[in-house]
Amino acid sequence: KNQVEQSPQSLIILEGKNCTLQCNYTVSPFSNLRWYKQDTGRGPVSLTIMTFSENTKSNGRYTATLDADTKQSSLHITASQLSDSASYICVVSNTGGGNKLTFGTGTQLKVEL
Amino acid sequence: DADVTQTPRNRITKTGKRIMLECSQTKGHDRMYWYRQDPGLGLRLIYYSFDVKDINKGEISDGYSVSRQAQAKFSLSLESAIPNQTALYFCATSDGTGGAKNIQYFGAGTRLSVL
Repeated sequence: KNQVEQSPQSLIILEGKNCTLQCNYTVSPFSNLRWYKQDTGRGPVSLTIMTFSENTKSNGRYTATLDADTKQSSLHITASQLSDSASYICVVSNTGGGNKLTFGTGTQLKVEL
Repeated sequence: DADVTQTPRNRITKTGKRIMLECSQTKGHDRMYWYRQDPGLGLRLIYYSFDVKDINKGEISDGYSVSRQAQAKFSLSLESAIPNQTALYFCATSDGTGGAKNIQYFGAGTRLSVL
């Protein structure tokens, strides 16, 4: 069964600090891995997408890494801001069409003053 | 994303009632999707449509039906709502391009409670 597991479930950090979120997956055959940000009361918004051949992808203060051999990904947030408070969801696709996505349960991040 | 609009945003209904959730998009995308999100679970696909004449079941389609009235409109119906259909429902769209990197754009969600 295709699965995506994320850790930690929740995280509280101080504004300005860095943090790293983890994602392990067992989806096969692998097509791509995506990180989404979901603000409270909103739909998920895409941050990064990586295919098998890409091992790092940045979007501003967000940097995602992918190790397709160990089936692990991480999302690193640099110099956190209050607006980074959200749920971060790891999503793995096993087709090229993007319609078969396996979603993780998310890491709930809270950034405090 | 304001380009994908879901109505209503919140709905409370009773067991056995028929309810329709609506989704419209101004992105001009051919592909539309319905997902549900439950606490402690990842989003799960209910139905998807790649064009007006194409409807496909997702992993949890039982108890749901959909209608693709136009390229821009995709509605989800619960013919006889039951309490375990209480969830947050999301509509999403994509344009089908970009190959493996096809991005989905989500609406703000509909929070449904079935009493």
